Amino acid sequence: GENVEQHPSTLSVQEGDSAVIKCTYSDSASNYFPWYKQELGKGPQLIIDIRSNVGEKKDQRIAVTLNKTAKHFSLHITETQPEDSAVYFCAASIEGNTPLVFGKGTRLSVIA
Amino acid sequence: SAVISQKPSRDICQRGTSLTIQCQVDSQVTMMFWYRQQPGQSLTLIATANQGSEATYESGFVIDKFPISRPNLTFSTLTVSNMSPEDSSIYLCSVRPSYEQYFGPGTRLTVT
Repeated sequence: GENVEQHPSTLSVQEGDSAVIKCTYSDSASNYFPWYKQELGKGPQLIIDIRSNVGEKKDQRIAVTLNKTAKHFSLHITETQPEDSAVYFCAASIEGNTPLVFGKGTRLSVIA
Repeated sequence: SAVISQKPSRDICQRGTSLTIQCQVDSQVTMMFWYRQQPGQSLTLIATANQGSEATYESGFVIDKFPISRPNLTFSTLTVSNMSPEDSSIYLCSVRPSYEQYFGPGTRLTVT
């Protein structure tokens, strides 16, 4: 089955700097890669996703890139703000057919 | 998108008792999932609960311990039976209306 590895497990950045979180997956059939943000005491919130027919997707300060050949995808947050502090999870699945498999999460701290 | 509510939001239960968690969605969805998130950990799929069929459980989870009902396309329940302290976790309901997957706010369960 699918296995998703996520790095780093913790990340501290200064406010205004960029943050990058990387994930690798094992199943070449996976074609859907979402990212979730989980704040303390809340459920995971879908923040951005990418499907295998594109290599990059942007939404304001966040972007996701996908390299299908290398089987890895990354989340990029620019101009970080204290409210970006949260745990971020990557996931992978075969779109519409299989449940999401999650990485272990990255705790991002943005220091003001 | 989908808006998901869960009841209760949190509970403290005694060892050996059972708790039923309710999940309500604001639209009809076929695919519904139940996840467990142990303290400081990632999300682990318990079962997939599609309306009109028996729930499909992941390895390590059994129906006697986590019975699930899915009476219609907007509602589901998960029961945690004969609880032990190891069942202390956040239990999350999730739906996939299309390729995107959304999560409820979670039920925080503490077993004493």
